[in-house]
Amino acid sequence: GENVEQHPSTLSVQEGDSAVIKCTYSDSASNYFPWYKQELGKRPQLIIDIRSNVGEKKDQRIAVTLNKTAKHFSLHITETQPEDSAVYFCAASYYGTYKYIFGTGTRLKVLA
Amino acid sequence: NAGVTQTPKFQVLKTGQSMTLQCAQDMNHEYMSWYRQDPGMGLRLIHYSVGAGITDQGEVPNGYNVSRSTTEDFPLRLLSAAPSQTSVYFCASSRTSGGGQDTQYFGPGTRLTVL
Repeated sequence: GENVEQHPSTLSVQEGDSAVIKCTYSDSASNYFPWYKQELGKRPQLIIDIRSNVGEKKDQRIAVTLNKTAKHFSLHITETQPEDSAVYFCAASYYGTYKYIFGTGTRLKVLA
Repeated sequence: NAGVTQTPKFQVLKTGQSMTLQCAQDMNHEYMSWYRQDPGMGLRLIHYSVGAGITDQGEVPNGYNVSRSTTEDFPLRLLSAAPSQTSVYFCASSRTSGGGQDTQYFGPGTRLTVL
């Protein structure tokens, strides 16, 4: 069945450095890839998403890249700040399925 | 708008008991879904609905029932609770059911413990 692998499971960076989280999906029909941020004890919240008709999308310090050939997509956070510390989840879906397959999450720690 | 609301926030059950987790949204969203979140396993889809009267199974539907009688409400029923159902449950909704590809808004979650 469909599967989304996410790496790394934990990531520690110094404040101001960049962080990269990678996800690989199995279903080549997937064409929508959202990223969620979940702070401790809170609900997941969408931070950025990308559709398969584009290769990259940016929103201030956050960017997502997509490589359809290799079936992987990545989240890039630049100039990290302590408030970026959270668990980040990737997900994949395709039009008409109504189902999202989530990765297992990456715990990002930004060290001051 | 209150967004997506869930009740209760915490619940402790004994094995074999039944209960209903409530979920409501006031955004007139067509699509609603239930996930469970377990450590190291991300979010797994239990059931979803693309409109009133329409529901379908997700990845892990066993032991759970849903119904959607109104656009606003999407309750999740545990028929006979088991310790394996100990988890945090999130309800989510999105604006469009057109392929399911729209921003999902999550509720605050219900932390369920089954003894």
